[in-house]
Amino acid sequence: QQQVKQSPQSLIVQKGGISIINCAYENTAFDYFPWYQQFPGKGPALLIAIRPDVSEKKEGRFTISFNKSAKQFSLHIMDSQPGDSATYFCAGGRGGSNYKLTFGKGTLLTVNP
Amino acid sequence: DAGVIQSPRHEVTEMGQEVTLRCKPISGHDYLFWYRQTMMRGLELLIYFNNNVPIDDSGMPEDRFSAKMPNASFSTLKIQPSEPRDSAVYFCASSYIVGGSYEQYFGPGTRLTVT
Repeated sequence: QQQVKQSPQSLIVQKGGISIINCAYENTAFDYFPWYQQFPGKGPALLIAIRPDVSEKKEGRFTISFNKSAKQFSLHIMDSQPGDSATYFCAGGRGGSNYKLTFGKGTLLTVNP
Repeated sequence: DAGVIQSPRHEVTEMGQEVTLRCKPISGHDYLFWYRQTMMRGLELLIYFNNNVPIDDSGMPEDRFSAKMPNASFSTLKIQPSEPRDSAVYFCASSYIVGGSYEQYFGPGTRLTVT
């Protein structure tokens, strides 16, 4: 089973703080690492994604840091806001003829005002 | 575009009944995925299709589950007979490949409760 392990399961952060969620993967053939955001009652939606040829990608307050040798990647949310409260999923994907994603178990983020 | 459309949004049924979940992918997307989400097991891939052909059904829990994609704009996931442990939120997602990125677009999900 090619797994993606995600931690922590839940995270509480104060408004304005930094939220950090970590993931580790096993399959070295993965070539695509997205993060999805899910609000209650909604389906997951792509937040930001990275490919293994770069070590960092930033989009607004959201940054992915990628460590290929350690097979780890993380999501950093700067200046966290109450509206960021959601469940976050990391995933790994392998292109070629197989475009499915393997998801982590998710992290429930709560940002207190 | 209306996004991925799923119906029904909520389904309550009794154990032993047949349940059919429906999905309309985004037009032009050639991959379709069915997922099941529970607190205990997270987001599990059940089956996915490419150009209407099932590619990998290794995530289908057992023979009670079946999925079809008769054309590019419609797919069904059927559970027969249903059991209480099938209670979950079922998501359909569609995708197309561009520039090495294969973002999956999820529908709103169907919340299934089997009593």
